[in-house]
Amino acid sequence: TQLLEQSPQFLSIQEGENLTVYCNSSSVFSSLQWYRQEPGEGPVLLVTVVTGGEVKKLKRLTFQFGDARKDSSLHITAAQPGDTGLYLCALNNTNAGKSTFGDGTTLTVKP
Amino acid sequence: EPEVTQTPSHQVTQMGQEVILRCVPISNHLYFYWYRQILGQKVEFLVSFYNNEISEKSEIFDDQFSVERPDGSNFTLKIRSTKLEDSAMYFCASKGEIQPQHFGDGTRLSIL
Repeated sequence: TQLLEQSPQFLSIQEGENLTVYCNSSSVFSSLQWYRQEPGEGPVLLVTVVTGGEVKKLKRLTFQFGDARKDSSLHITAAQPGDTGLYLCALNNTNAGKSTFGDGTTLTVKP
Repeated sequence: EPEVTQTPSHQVTQMGQEVILRCVPISNHLYFYWYRQILGQKVEFLVSFYNNEISEKSEIFDDQFSVERPDGSNFTLKIRSTKLEDSAMYFCASKGEIQPQHFGDGTRLSIL
């Protein structure tokens, strides 16, 4: 069974600070998605990373895929209260296959 | 932007009763999924569906569960005889040939 670990589990910071959250797999995967989930809602897709070493930017969010395709990170610059939420990574081993989710990082950005 | 819609948003059911959760996937998507999330726990895969048949299911998806695509638009999850431990958020997801999975907002199922 492929395991996916996210760290830290909880993160509380002040508005304007930078942060990085991590996602690590026990083995290589074909693609990885980052989602953001708010209470009472479904996961909302932020990005998909596929290529080892790939870096994608989404406004203040920078996503990186490790060279060995076993890990990924999400860096948020100048965090805002609106960034508060549960950040989930999920991996797929095949294009149409299931997504396996990590436990998530709960981010709180205080004004 | 097209989205996956789920109904009802909240379902309260007595233990032992049957429940049907409904989903309308994004219209041109081909692959359909059900996941659940017990309060405070991770999102867990239940079942995937393609070309009118189950393509993969997890250990959670036992004989009490079934899925159906009764027409061209709906995708349903049925639980025949609900148990207390079935209480969770149930998420439907769909994807196209190359697009990633898109999730609905879920149905909160509460078993009394």
